[in-house]
Amino acid sequence: AQKITQTQPGMFVQEKEAVTLDCTYDTSDQSYGLFWYKQPSSGEMIFLIYQGSYDEQNATEGRYSLNFQKARKSANLVISASQLGDSAMYFCAMRRSSNQFYFGTGTSLTVIP
Amino acid sequence: DAMVIQNPRYQVTQFGKPVTLSCSQTLNHNVMYWYQQKSSQAPKLLFHYYDKDFNNEADTPDNFQSRRPNTSFCFLDIRSPGLGDAAMYLCATSSRRDSGNEQYFGPGTRLTVT
Repeated sequence: AQKITQTQPGMFVQEKEAVTLDCTYDTSDQSYGLFWYKQPSSGEMIFLIYQGSYDEQNATEGRYSLNFQKARKSANLVISASQLGDSAMYFCAMRRSSNQFYFGTGTSLTVIP
Repeated sequence: DAMVIQNPRYQVTQFGKPVTLSCSQTLNHNVMYWYQQKSSQAPKLLFHYYDKDFNNEADTPDNFQSRRPNTSFCFLDIRSPGLGDAAMYLCATSSRRDSGNEQYFGPGTRLTVT
């Protein structure tokens, strides 16, 4: 069975500080993709960043970076210089080569002014 | 702009009364997904299409069916909605059978069952 685990139901961060959201995964696939999505209270799912299982370098997209440790099966999201608009639910997800996507339970991030 | 559209945004149906949710896309993507997301929970994959190839998740109830008449449209049919089926239903698309491609999500349809 494929499984995504996010152990932090809620996180708080001071504005302008960095925060790390944890994600571990379990799969027997050799090829897979790891994604982070943001879901504000409005409900839309917003793609943030992607890491392929064969990528050797950690992915970065602006203020978002993904700390990929394949041997530990972890794919943590780092948000630098937090902004008030970053307050939202954050989901880690995995895509299998069969096109199935599985999501973690999410982390609610609150940015404090 | 190319996008994923879901109609309606809000749907109210009665217990046991069949309901259909629709999704359309202008991205010409091969893969379309339906997810169920209950309050404060992760999206749960119900099924997906790769072109016309239907792929059902093992734990998706038989009450949920889907149709994809062409590349652009995909429908979710709930044959006999129960109170437990009240949720946000998200449609998403992806461009090819490759682990590298992100999903593009529609805004969702919030289903209420009375």
